[in-house]
Amino acid sequence: DTAVSQTPKYLVTQMGNDKSIKCEQNLGHDTMYWYKQDSKKFLKIMFSYNNKELIINETVPNRFSPKSPDKAHLNLHINSLELGDSAVYFCASSLDRGISYEQYFGPGTRLTVT
Amino acid sequence: QKEVEQDPGPLSVPEGAIVSLNCTYSNSAFQYFMWYRQYSRKGPELLMYTYSSGNKEDGRFTAQVDKSSKYISLFIRDSQPSDSATYLCAMRGGGGNKLTFGTGTQLKVEL
Repeated sequence: DTAVSQTPKYLVTQMGNDKSIKCEQNLGHDTMYWYKQDSKKFLKIMFSYNNKELIINETVPNRFSPKSPDKAHLNLHINSLELGDSAVYFCASSLDRGISYEQYFGPGTRLTVT
Repeated sequence: QKEVEQDPGPLSVPEGAIVSLNCTYSNSAFQYFMWYRQYSRKGPELLMYTYSSGNKEDGRFTAQVDKSSKYISLFIRDSQPSDSATYLCAMRGGGGNKLTFGTGTQLKVEL
């Protein structure tokens, strides 16, 4: 029973294309995140939504646009893909109650831009 | 300079060894300290969590935080081949859920 799921798992596309990655969590959490992990394994937050409201928006090109249709879903749309966007993108979720510390991560989407 | 520094390794140890993984950080506002384990081609999973300074033990794993030195450690006793993974330290301040991660240390435990 998958807690945080992402689709697709692999995405290979050409420069200039537009693509979307979807994320769903069935944990009843109210906060969801998108992270980017580069080839050196460095994991960096991109966005965070709490109850469909954007609360963290790091310095990310505006070609990246997150959308949260409801608390259980957070999608990431990327316009005009560039070579440097190649990375693994992780979705995560957490419960924003008291000392919420555990973020549950999805399996990742490996994006390759050629 | 990154807010959180971590030696990327790789670190290779024989089975049964004691492993020490470390992170240093510069932001004195960090209060919550975590260690995540990430197997190859998987998402990170929370291993240990510590609030402020002190030690925390869970089975073969011990997490230590020294806020005065801005230094955190994860010790793995009696290491097993199944411990082979990348270990990421993460930390956050008192408000909000934003985690700042280290670059991860790749550990290989060999038979």
